[in-house]
Amino acid sequence: DTGVSQDPRHKITKRGQNVTFRCDPISEHNRLYWYRQTLGQGPEFLTYFQNEAQLEKSRLLSDRFSAERPKGSFSTLEIQRTEQGDSAMYLCASSLISGSTDTQYFGPGTRLTVL
Amino acid sequence: AQTVTQSQPEMSVQEAETVTLSCTYDTSESNYYLFWYKQPPSRQMILVIRQEAYKQQNATENRFSVNFQKAAKSFSLKISDSQLGDTAMYFCAFRGVPYSGAGSYQLTFGKGTKLSVIP
Repeated sequence: DTGVSQDPRHKITKRGQNVTFRCDPISEHNRLYWYRQTLGQGPEFLTYFQNEAQLEKSRLLSDRFSAERPKGSFSTLEIQRTEQGDSAMYLCASSLISGSTDTQYFGPGTRLTVL
Repeated sequence: AQTVTQSQPEMSVQEAETVTLSCTYDTSESNYYLFWYKQPPSRQMILVIRQEAYKQQNATENRFSVNFQKAAKSFSLKISDSQLGDTAMYFCAFRGVPYSGAGSYQLTFGKGTKLSVIP
């Protein structure tokens, strides 16, 4: 049983460029979450999917951010026109609904550095 | 909105000793889940323990146990027989139960406590 995987693990880009991250959840997990973690802080929620439907978005998710989960399996998070303030670790988590239980399992993250 | 507070930015403990990490939270919901996650240096976040608010019995997982005080909105983590591999950031997290009110499936995290286990 493989865990949540994310690609790439590290990304360095110049301000103004677009970047895309990928997350592969644990097989058969129907919920997928994106969080952002800056240095010295706990993760902050960005958005989540149940199957292919994006059900909740944080106000942190500006218009430059877009997330998709087209077939209810892997997900992508795209940041357009990156800014230095976007530098952070982007974490993906997945879970399987079982009653009201929804334990989220995290991937290793993608560390983004915007120069 | 829910808030989670971890008042100890850093702690240290001698190997084989016991340490307690503190967490308080604020919510108006009556039912919810609380979690402790561990994030080792340069490694991914791992679930340590989970507590359901409607269960009065404190959760335990091997050397890890919690002291859940619902009225005080306190959720501390006790690590017994500390090991070098316990060195990590520890995050306390809250999750509501949507069907019981205005909850959300998102996790709300504290800022974390950096635990160092000293040989």
